[in-house]
Amino acid sequence: AQRVTQPEKLLSVFKGAPVELKCNYSYSGSPELFWYVQYSRQRLQLLLRHISRESIKGFTADLNKGETSFHLKKPFAQEEDSAMYYCALSTNRDDKIIFGKGTRLHILP
Amino acid sequence: DGGITQSPKYLFRKEGQNVTLSCEQNLNHDAMYWYRQDPGQGLRLIYYSQIVNDFQKGDIAEGYSVSREKKESFPLTVTSAQKNPTAFYLCASSTLTGRNTEAFFGQGTRLTVV
Repeated sequence: AQRVTQPEKLLSVFKGAPVELKCNYSYSGSPELFWYVQYSRQRLQLLLRHISRESIKGFTADLNKGETSFHLKKPFAQEEDSAMYYCALSTNRDDKIIFGKGTRLHILP
Repeated sequence: DGGITQSPKYLFRKEGQNVTLSCEQNLNHDAMYWYRQDPGQGLRLIYYSQIVNDFQKGDIAEGYSVSREKKESFPLTVTSAQKNPTAFYLCASSTLTGRNTEAFFGQGTRLTVV
């Protein structure tokens, strides 16, 4: 079965410090991985996807198939990064989109 | 204003009653999804649909039903068989069913059963 694991419910980081939000997945096929973000009082929205290999708002994520991980990183945290972050996996086999339980990122001033 | 619209924003129902949550999109998306969001549980997939007149159960489909009679609409019915219906429900849509494409979310419906 497909599964996405985000081990941290809450991560508190000082402004300017590096951020790493962990995500591990379980899927026997070729996964498509995403990070979604939900800012306060806003809709859940896409932050980035692994296939694009892009950097959005300073965030990057690298798919590591050996470790089945897709950790989200940012070298210098900003206060506006405070939000709920969800790692997600989509499958070509049965076309589901599966989410992890989410990590709340709190940037301390 | 294009996008995906859920209504109502807040819904109260008495225990034992069925209730239907609306989800409409004008993005011409093929795929639509329903999730339930509970504190500490993340988003759990209830049902999803890849095409009109077809849908599949997600991980927590028991006590729920859906229909997909039109491409734009994917209503969710929370039946009296759902043991713990009070939750925040999110609807989403995407162009192709999860194939590296972005899912767009509604603003959600908070259902409270009393």
